[in-house]
Amino acid sequence: AQSVTQLDSHVSVSEGTPVLLRCNYSSSYSPSLFWYVQHPNKGLQLLLKYTSAATLVKGINGFEAEFKKSETSFHLTKPSAHMSDAAEYFCVVSDPSDYKLSFGAGTTVTVRA
Amino acid sequence: NAGVTQTPKFQVLKTGQSMTLQCAQDMNHEYMSWYRQDPGMGLRLIHYSVGAGITDQGEVPNGYNVSRSTTEDFPLRLLSAAPSQTSVYFCASSYARGNTGELFFGEGSRLTVL
Repeated sequence: AQSVTQLDSHVSVSEGTPVLLRCNYSSSYSPSLFWYVQHPNKGLQLLLKYTSAATLVKGINGFEAEFKKSETSFHLTKPSAHMSDAAEYFCVVSDPSDYKLSFGAGTTVTVRA
Repeated sequence: NAGVTQTPKFQVLKTGQSMTLQCAQDMNHEYMSWYRQDPGMGLRLIHYSVGAGITDQGEVPNGYNVSRSTTEDFPLRLLSAAPSQTSVYFCASSYARGNTGELFFGEGSRLTVL
């Protein structure tokens, strides 16, 4: 069985400063990992995904994430936050043998002007 | 291209009432699923389908029924609503089984059960 833990329920940053959202996972297999973003009153949108290719994955809107197998982590970063990045972010893990995804509890990002 | 469309967007029910949340996708996706989102709990899978005529239970299926008569539609039925079913419900679809993770979500249906 797989699981995912998002280490911060809420992150607050100033506009123009870096953003770091932390995610640790547990999986019996080589997992696929994803980050989704949810803006207020909207559905979730895929930011990026890792599927055993390059360990540094680039996504939309300047986000990237690094897969570290030794640390079982998949942290999401962005060098410079924008007001439009204010949203909730979900880390998701999927075992290749199981098509049921496991979602983290989510991290709410607030961006201060 | 409309993507995944959910109706209604908002609904208030009384305990014991029944209703159906509708979900339709126009991307010819085989895989469709229903999730509920509750504060601090992420998304939890209710039911899913890997193709027309095939459905299966997810993590929290009790109190919900589904059917998949066409590729496009995947309605979620609440047979006898309970306050514990107050939540935001999301329908999602994928061109392949969910292990690729690239799900396309609707905008959600916000349900309150009094």
